[in-house]
Amino acid sequence: AQSVTQPDIHITVSEGASLELRCNYSYGATPYLFWYVQSPGQGLQLLLKYFSGDTLVQGIKGFEAEFKRSQSSFNLRKPSVHWSDAAEYFCAVGARSGYSTLTFGKGTMLLVSP
Amino acid sequence: EAQVTQNPRYLITVTGKKLTVTCSQNMNHEYMSWYRQDPGLGLRQIYYSMNVEVTDKGDVPEGYKVSRKEKRNFPLILESPSPNQTSLYFCASRGDRATQYFGPGTRLTVL
Repeated sequence: AQSVTQPDIHITVSEGASLELRCNYSYGATPYLFWYVQSPGQGLQLLLKYFSGDTLVQGIKGFEAEFKRSQSSFNLRKPSVHWSDAAEYFCAVGARSGYSTLTFGKGTMLLVSP
Repeated sequence: EAQVTQNPRYLITVTGKKLTVTCSQNMNHEYMSWYRQDPGLGLRQIYYSMNVEVTDKGDVPEGYKVSRKEKRNFPLILESPSPNQTSLYFCASRGDRATQYFGPGTRLTVL
Protein backbone atom coordinates (compact mmCIF):
# COMPACT_ATOMS: atom_id res chain seq x y z
CA ALA A 1 0.00 0.00 0.00
CA GLN A 2 1.16 3.50 -0.71
CA SER A 3 2.32 5.70 2.15
CA VAL A 4 3.83 9.10 2.70
CA THR A 5 6.20 9.89 5.55
CA GLN A 6 6.98 13.34 6.83
CA PRO A 7 9.51 12.58 9.54
CA ASP A 8 9.39 15.98 11.23
CA ILE A 9 6.23 16.80 13.15
CA HIS A 10 7.47 20.28 14.07
CA ILE A 11 10.27 22.43 12.71
CA THR A 12 11.36 25.84 13.99
CA VAL A 13 13.28 28.13 11.67
CA SER A 14 14.50 31.66 12.21
CA GLU A 15 13.07 34.28 9.92
CA GLY A 16 15.38 34.72 6.96
CA ALA A 17 16.93 31.28 7.32
CA SER A 18 16.57 28.54 4.75
CA LEU A 19 14.04 25.74 5.07
CA GLU A 20 13.85 22.14 4.00
CA LEU A 21 10.87 19.91 4.79
CA ARG A 22 11.30 16.23 4.15
CA CYS A 23 8.91 13.87 2.41
CA ASN A 24 9.43 10.22 1.55
CA TYR A 25 6.91 8.00 -0.14
CA SER A 26 6.33 4.35 -0.74
CA TYR A 27 4.59 3.60 -4.00
CA GLY A 28 4.51 0.96 -6.71
CA ALA A 29 5.54 3.37 -9.43
CA THR A 30 6.46 7.03 -9.60
CA PRO A 31 3.33 8.86 -8.53
CA TYR A 32 2.24 12.41 -8.99
CA LEU A 33 3.68 14.43 -6.11
CA PHE A 34 2.27 17.46 -4.31
CA TRP A 35 2.91 19.85 -1.47
CA TYR A 36 0.02 21.65 0.20
CA VAL A 37 0.08 24.32 2.88
CA GLN A 38 -2.53 24.93 5.55
CA SER A 39 -2.44 28.23 7.40
CA PRO A 40 -4.26 28.42 10.74
CA GLY A 41 -8.00 28.34 10.22
CA GLN A 42 -7.64 27.91 6.48
CA GLY A 43 -8.08 25.18 3.93
CA LEU A 44 -5.31 23.40 2.07
CA GLN A 45 -3.65 25.42 -0.65
CA LEU A 46 -1.63 23.77 -3.42
CA LEU A 47 2.01 24.94 -3.27
CA LEU A 48 3.47 22.93 -6.10
CA LYS A 49 3.26 19.64 -7.96
CA TYR A 50 5.47 17.26 -9.89
CA PHE A 51 4.16 15.32 -12.84
CA SER A 52 7.19 14.64 -15.03
CA GLY A 53 10.27 16.24 -16.59
CA ASP A 54 12.51 18.58 -14.64
CA THR A 55 12.88 17.16 -11.15
CA LEU A 56 13.15 20.61 -9.58
CA VAL A 57 9.75 22.27 -9.55
CA GLN A 58 8.87 25.79 -8.62
CA GLY A 59 5.76 26.72 -6.73
CA ILE A 60 4.01 29.69 -5.27
CA LYS A 61 5.34 31.88 -2.44
CA GLY A 62 8.97 31.18 -3.39
CA PHE A 63 8.88 27.46 -2.62
CA GLU A 64 10.52 24.74 -4.65
CA ALA A 65 10.74 20.97 -4.36
CA GLU A 66 13.07 18.37 -5.76
CA PHE A 67 12.02 14.90 -6.80
CA LYS A 68 14.66 12.24 -6.24
CA ARG A 69 13.57 8.92 -7.66
CA SER A 70 16.46 6.96 -6.12
CA GLN A 71 15.49 8.16 -2.65
CA SER A 72 11.71 8.19 -3.16
CA SER A 73 11.77 11.71 -1.83
CA PHE A 74 10.14 15.02 -2.66
CA ASN A 75 11.60 17.58 -0.26
CA LEU A 76 10.28 21.11 -0.06
CA ARG A 77 12.68 24.04 0.18
CA LYS A 78 12.68 27.78 0.54
CA PRO A 79 15.86 29.87 0.64
CA SER A 80 14.61 32.52 3.05
CA VAL A 81 11.64 31.99 5.34
CA HIS A 82 9.19 34.77 6.16
CA TRP A 83 7.06 34.92 9.31
CA SER A 84 3.97 34.46 7.13
CA ASP A 85 5.25 31.01 6.13
CA ALA A 86 4.34 29.65 9.55
CA ALA A 87 1.77 26.95 8.76
CA GLU A 88 1.36 23.22 8.42
CA TYR A 89 2.75 21.59 5.30
CA PHE A 90 1.48 18.37 3.78
CA CYS A 91 3.15 16.17 1.22
CA ALA A 92 0.82 14.01 -0.91
CA VAL A 93 1.08 11.42 -3.68
CA GLY A 94 -1.44 10.34 -6.27
CA ALA A 95 -1.65 7.54 -8.79
CA ARG A 96 -0.96 8.29 -12.44
CA SER A 97 -3.87 6.18 -13.58
CA GLY A 98 -7.41 5.70 -12.47
CA TYR A 99 -9.34 7.80 -10.01
CA SER A 100 -7.66 6.99 -6.72
CA THR A 101 -7.45 9.70 -4.15
CA LEU A 102 -4.35 11.38 -2.84
CA THR A 103 -2.42 9.84 0.03
CA PHE A 104 -1.25 12.47 2.48
CA GLY A 105 1.55 12.58 4.99
CA LYS A 106 0.72 13.53 8.57
CA GLY A 107 2.06 17.03 8.08
CA THR A 108 4.93 19.17 9.37
CA MET A 109 4.18 22.24 11.45
CA LEU A 110 6.55 25.09 10.63
CA LEU A 111 7.21 27.66 13.33
CA VAL A 112 9.11 30.81 12.44
CA SER A 113 11.04 32.59 15.16
CA PRO A 114 11.97 36.27 14.98
CA GLU B 1 -12.66 32.35 -9.80
CA ALA B 2 -12.20 28.58 -9.63
CA GLN B 3 -13.12 27.43 -6.17
CA VAL B 4 -14.66 24.90 -3.83
CA THR B 5 -17.10 26.34 -1.33
CA GLN B 6 -18.42 24.77 1.86
CA ASN B 7 -21.14 25.79 4.26
CA PRO B 8 -21.30 26.31 7.10
CA ARG B 9 -17.74 27.12 8.10
CA TYR B 10 -18.46 26.51 11.77
CA LEU B 11 -21.16 24.40 13.35
CA ILE B 12 -21.92 23.41 16.92
CA THR B 13 -24.65 20.84 17.37
CA VAL B 14 -25.87 18.19 19.77
CA THR B 15 -25.73 14.43 19.59
CA GLY B 16 -28.34 12.93 17.30
CA LYS B 17 -29.43 16.08 15.51
CA LYS B 18 -29.17 15.52 11.76
CA LEU B 19 -27.01 17.95 9.84
CA THR B 20 -25.80 18.56 6.31
CA VAL B 21 -22.62 20.25 5.19
CA THR B 22 -22.85 21.54 1.66
CA CYS B 23 -20.06 21.54 -0.90
CA SER B 24 -20.01 23.08 -4.34
CA GLN B 25 -17.35 23.44 -7.03
CA ASN B 26 -17.36 25.54 -10.19
CA MET B 27 -14.58 23.77 -12.09
CA ASN B 28 -16.76 21.12 -13.76
CA HIS B 29 -14.77 18.36 -12.06
CA GLU B 30 -16.17 14.87 -12.05
CA TYR B 31 -14.39 13.57 -8.95
CA MET B 32 -15.19 15.00 -5.54
CA SER B 33 -14.46 13.81 -2.05
CA TRP B 34 -14.82 14.52 1.65
CA TYR B 35 -12.04 14.36 4.22
CA ARG B 36 -11.83 14.80 7.93
CA GLN B 37 -8.75 16.14 9.63
CA ASP B 38 -7.88 15.25 13.21
CA PRO B 39 -4.74 16.04 15.22
CA GLY B 40 -2.16 13.31 14.85
CA LEU B 41 -4.23 11.45 12.27
CA GLY B 42 -3.84 13.76 9.30
CA LEU B 43 -6.37 13.80 6.48
CA ARG B 44 -8.61 10.79 6.05
CA GLN B 45 -11.02 10.32 3.21
CA ILE B 46 -14.65 9.76 4.18
CA TYR B 47 -16.43 9.32 0.86
CA TYR B 48 -15.74 10.09 -2.75
CA SER B 49 -17.73 10.40 -5.95
CA MET B 50 -16.40 9.74 -9.42
CA ASN B 51 -19.42 11.29 -11.10
CA VAL B 52 -23.10 12.05 -10.72
CA GLU B 53 -24.92 9.24 -8.93
CA VAL B 54 -21.64 7.36 -8.34
CA THR B 55 -20.32 7.39 -4.78
CA ASP B 56 -18.10 5.09 -2.78
CA LYS B 57 -16.67 4.72 0.70
CA GLY B 58 -13.30 6.07 1.64
CA ASP B 59 -11.25 5.13 4.67
CA VAL B 60 -13.63 6.30 7.42
CA PRO B 61 -17.23 6.23 6.12
CA GLU B 62 -19.05 5.08 9.28
CA GLY B 63 -21.66 7.56 10.43
CA TYR B 64 -21.70 9.58 7.21
CA LYS B 65 -23.77 9.69 4.05
CA VAL B 66 -23.28 11.53 0.79
CA SER B 67 -25.23 12.16 -2.37
CA ARG B 68 -24.28 13.39 -5.82
CA LYS B 69 -27.31 14.50 -7.76
CA GLU B 70 -25.52 17.23 -9.68
CA LYS B 71 -21.93 17.45 -10.83
CA ARG B 72 -21.18 20.63 -8.91
CA ASN B 73 -22.62 19.65 -5.51
CA PHE B 74 -21.56 16.96 -3.06
CA PRO B 75 -23.20 17.34 0.37
CA LEU B 76 -22.05 15.45 3.45
CA ILE B 77 -24.82 14.20 5.72
CA LEU B 78 -24.55 13.20 9.36
CA GLU B 79 -27.89 11.63 10.21
CA SER B 80 -27.15 11.08 13.90
CA PRO B 81 -23.96 12.93 14.84
CA SER B 82 -21.91 11.75 17.78
CA PRO B 83 -19.08 13.49 19.71
CA ASN B 84 -16.43 11.39 17.92
CA GLN B 85 -17.43 13.15 14.71
CA THR B 86 -16.16 16.44 16.10
CA SER B 87 -13.55 17.33 13.53
CA LEU B 88 -12.46 19.65 10.73
CA TYR B 89 -14.03 18.62 7.44
CA PHE B 90 -12.82 19.40 3.94
CA CYS B 91 -14.49 18.96 0.63
CA ALA B 92 -12.25 18.60 -2.41
CA SER B 93 -12.63 18.28 -6.14
CA ARG B 94 -10.11 16.62 -8.36
CA GLY B 95 -8.78 18.22 -11.48
CA ASP B 96 -6.17 17.22 -13.99
CA ARG B 97 -3.56 14.59 -13.01
CA ALA B 98 -4.83 13.88 -9.52
CA THR B 99 -4.60 17.52 -8.39
CA GLN B 100 -7.06 18.15 -5.58
CA TYR B 101 -8.59 21.53 -4.82
CA PHE B 102 -9.87 21.98 -1.30
CA GLY B 103 -12.66 23.98 0.22
CA PRO B 104 -12.03 26.25 3.23
CA GLY B 105 -13.14 23.65 5.76
CA THR B 106 -16.02 23.19 8.18
CA ARG B 107 -15.24 22.96 11.86
CA LEU B 108 -17.87 20.75 13.48
CA THR B 109 -18.39 20.32 17.20
CA VAL B 110 -20.85 17.71 18.43
CA LEU B 111 -21.80 18.05 22.09
